[in-house]
Amino acid sequence: EAQVTQNPRYLITVTGKKLTVTCSQNMNHEYMSWYRQDPGLGLRQIYYSMNVEVTDKGDVPEGYKVSRKEKRNFPLILESPSPNQTSLYFCASSTTSGTQETQYFGPGTRLLVL
Amino acid sequence: GENVEQHPSTLSVQEGDSAVIKCTYSDSASNYFPWYKQELGKGPQLIIDIRSNVGEKKDQRIAVTLNKTAKHFSLHITETQPEDSAVYFCAPGGGTSYGKLTFGQGTILTVHP
Repeated sequence: EAQVTQNPRYLITVTGKKLTVTCSQNMNHEYMSWYRQDPGLGLRQIYYSMNVEVTDKGDVPEGYKVSRKEKRNFPLILESPSPNQTSLYFCASSTTSGTQETQYFGPGTRLLVL
Repeated sequence: GENVEQHPSTLSVQEGDSAVIKCTYSDSASNYFPWYKQELGKGPQLIIDIRSNVGEKKDQRIAVTLNKTAKHFSLHITETQPEDSAVYFCAPGGGTSYGKLTFGQGTILTVHP
């Protein structure tokens, strides 16, 4: 089954404790992206990647890091989480054309930073 | 970057009525116009899309119309059903902000039986 998977689905952590949210897709998509969703603000793009070893900032990159060492994986790293990073996070992928094609979303990761 | 505005933010209709959601964008180079539906506890999923060389596209009860001159596109849902209740997002793409994608703020649609 073609899908985007994220882990963990739920995470409670404390301020300053480094964490990684994994994202993996099995559709051989070149383009991958991370979003955060907050009430009233819709989906805001954090980082995106056009291909392996090619990443760039979205609209809200502060406090986040990403890497793209393999085509199928695009982990999101919070080096020192803060309470304002409490949010619902989605990973998505699409074909080479990136924003010109359908975004396939993962199920989401709900993060609470205390 | 692209400025995207989506209206209304909430929409409440009776079952069987029609619903229309409008998305306005700023990048005249945008050429891909999708609508996503997000059900409770799930990630957004594409329901319909249109490209800039087409003015309208229909898929059963849903349709999307595009006005490139005015830089807006709309989602039309006819004969609404309770299962249409969800959050809907627009996300115009393919423009000058290569790789960057801006979503509308979402419309919460509630269909009352």
